[in-house]
Amino acid sequence: RKEVEQDPGPFNVPEGATVAFNCTYSNSASQSFFWYRQDCRKEPKLLMSVYSSGNEDGRFTAQLNRASQYISLLIRDSKLSDSATYLCVVNTGTASKLTFGTGTRLQVTL
Amino acid sequence: EPEVTQTPSHQVTQMGQEVILRCVPISNHLYFYWYRQILGQKVEFLVSFYNNEISEKSEIFDDQFSVERPDGSNFTLKIRSTKLEDSAMYFCATLSPGQGYTGELFFGEGSRLTVL
Repeated sequence: RKEVEQDPGPFNVPEGATVAFNCTYSNSASQSFFWYRQDCRKEPKLLMSVYSSGNEDGRFTAQLNRASQYISLLIRDSKLSDSATYLCVVNTGTASKLTFGTGTRLQVTL
Repeated sequence: EPEVTQTPSHQVTQMGQEVILRCVPISNHLYFYWYRQILGQKVEFLVSFYNNEISEKSEIFDDQFSVERPDGSNFTLKIRSTKLEDSAMYFCATLSPGQGYTGELFFGEGSRLTVL
């Protein structure tokens, strides 16, 4: 089983749509969870951290289910500018290493 | 906003040549990392560096790779004898101290290495 697994997509959605991405991780000792965004041929940038209680930042909502080792990201009211690859990222508890998923590509269209 | 800067942005080299990729971390950051991303693949951890020594490295980071911070500012990744499969985007990243491990790594824009 891959350490961090994501559906690669692409997800093609119209502007204004709601879209959800899922991610599973294999290491039950993982302690920190994140969604990063990566534009084509650019560096990853932190979108949001993911907490057990769930957290929201504007149109973005992240959820963590530790029992199922599952993380989700919901984007409401999609914008053209949301088109990117969304990376699920997990830290197993050291300050040394993040493990990235392969990413889910989102394309928002008019 | 402070940023991580990397040079060169793109380097083309012949197989077997040595390559040095340079990174200037954000000034008060203490943890430094190198990640790489082969085209179309995921971002992979190579090495982390703290207090002037490697704190963790991956299986990818074999004897052909080395890191150092020669002058207290630059953080370099050296590939001693490049192979075709070293062709990738190499990202330097840094972590701010004093926040616990929030996961907000600050990435540079990357150095694209092409090995011919």
